[in-house]
Amino acid sequence: VQLVESGGGLVQPGKSLKLSCSASGFTFSSYGMHWIRQAPGKGLDWVAYISSSSGTVYADAVKGRFTISRDNAKNTLYLQLNSLKSEDTAIYYCARSFNYAMDAWGQGASVTVSS
Amino acid sequence: DVVLTQTPVSLSVTLGDQASISCRSSQSLEYSDGYTYLEWYLQKPGQSPQLLIYEVSNRFSGVPDRFIGSGSGTDFTLKISRVEPEDLGVYYCFQATHDPFTFGSGTKLEIK
Repeated sequence: VQLVESGGGLVQPGKSLKLSCSASGFTFSSYGMHWIRQAPGKGLDWVAYISSSSGTVYADAVKGRFTISRDNAKNTLYLQLNSLKSEDTAIYYCARSFNYAMDAWGQGASVTVSS
Repeated sequence: DVVLTQTPVSLSVTLGDQASISCRSSQSLEYSDGYTYLEWYLQKPGQSPQLLIYEVSNRFSGVPDRFIGSGSGTDFTLKISRVEPEDLGVYYCFQATHDPFTFGSGTKLEIK
């Protein structure tokens, strides 16, 4: 199982960014997936979940601004981040869901929101 | 939202001793399907988190039997018997019973 995040970077407040998570080593379409973030020096913060049938759940802090999606043909998970705020600065991890638990994690993508 | 309160915030343990971490939920974590979606994770320094325990007490593949999860309803505990050097890091509980899902604030385990 391998999960590789990409798309992170430095972005100005109010702008947008799209993160990708490329999955391999398992049947991607059969699994739900999570996004989790970790601000510098802080704890883990769950962001969003998408089921194998594309049902979605969001944290209150990102609802209406972030969108989780998936492309099973490309074995890729996405997170669209809109209206970014400084408090969205974090390492963003994707993780595979096993009965909602996160049994495999990527190495993370860094997102910095600053002017 | 469900709040998970972890105690203690930090823990200093002698090698070979037992460590115990509590996770208390603001709501019962038993789902209507009868399962309780309470998990434990360990984030070692400089690494991505890793799953230790799922559904309260089930050890994930490859996790030593020194790690024991227990509890029900709103009170949950992770016990680590015979602490080893590789156990240091930050432990988090996580619930996926209620939308939105939430993490506890973490417990840092240090080795004396």
